[in-house]
Amino acid sequence: NAGVTQTPKFQVLKTGQSMTLQCAQDMNHEYMSWYRQDPGMGLRLIHYSVGAGITDQGEVPNGYNVSRSTTEDFPLRLLSAAPSQTSVYFCAAQREGYNEQFFGPGTRLTVL
Amino acid sequence: SQQGEEDPQALSIQEGENATMNCSYKTSINNLQWYRQNSGRGLVHLILIRSNEREKHSGRLRVTLDTSKKSSSLLITASRAADTASYFCATDRGNAGKSTFGDGTTLTVKP
Repeated sequence: NAGVTQTPKFQVLKTGQSMTLQCAQDMNHEYMSWYRQDPGMGLRLIHYSVGAGITDQGEVPNGYNVSRSTTEDFPLRLLSAAPSQTSVYFCAAQREGYNEQFFGPGTRLTVL
Repeated sequence: SQQGEEDPQALSIQEGENATMNCSYKTSINNLQWYRQNSGRGLVHLILIRSNEREKHSGRLRVTLDTSKKSSSLLITASRAADTASYFCATDRGNAGKSTFGDGTTLTVKP
């Protein structure tokens, strides 16, 4: 069981570039979420999904898109990268009816 | 703004001492959770306390919840160097993967 996996681990982008951060889970958990963590701060929710085909916005959704075509995968797309999106991004999965979230190892993104 | 706020922001103690960190939140909750984050890693779930519970134990961890004061505390007893990490509280108003995290307490345990 790999749990929650994220790729890439590190990424450097130039302003205006687009990219997709990948997240996959093999636990068959219904809920998945994307958070960003800025230095010295907690996690802020970007987008979340309660099941395949269903997504919704979190606290800081601007500049990001998500889709959930399968239970396993929940990619996060940066449409046009900005320096303000420099952060560490975490994906999490949660089983419906339970409160514990399982986190991936994170993707460290730098936008120049 | 963040739902949870931890206090203190940083805590440094000697091995064997107890560590107490606090979390305050603003709105009503269903449950409150504590997570640990080792440097450069993802968060790991430690313990959950529901809104109708006042105290919970798990090994060397003790969590209290005071819903009237909208606050929680995490006590780590007999700390070890391996406890060095950042600790975050997270509140839930439902259970749809929408936890709201505080800014964390960074704990350093000196051997």
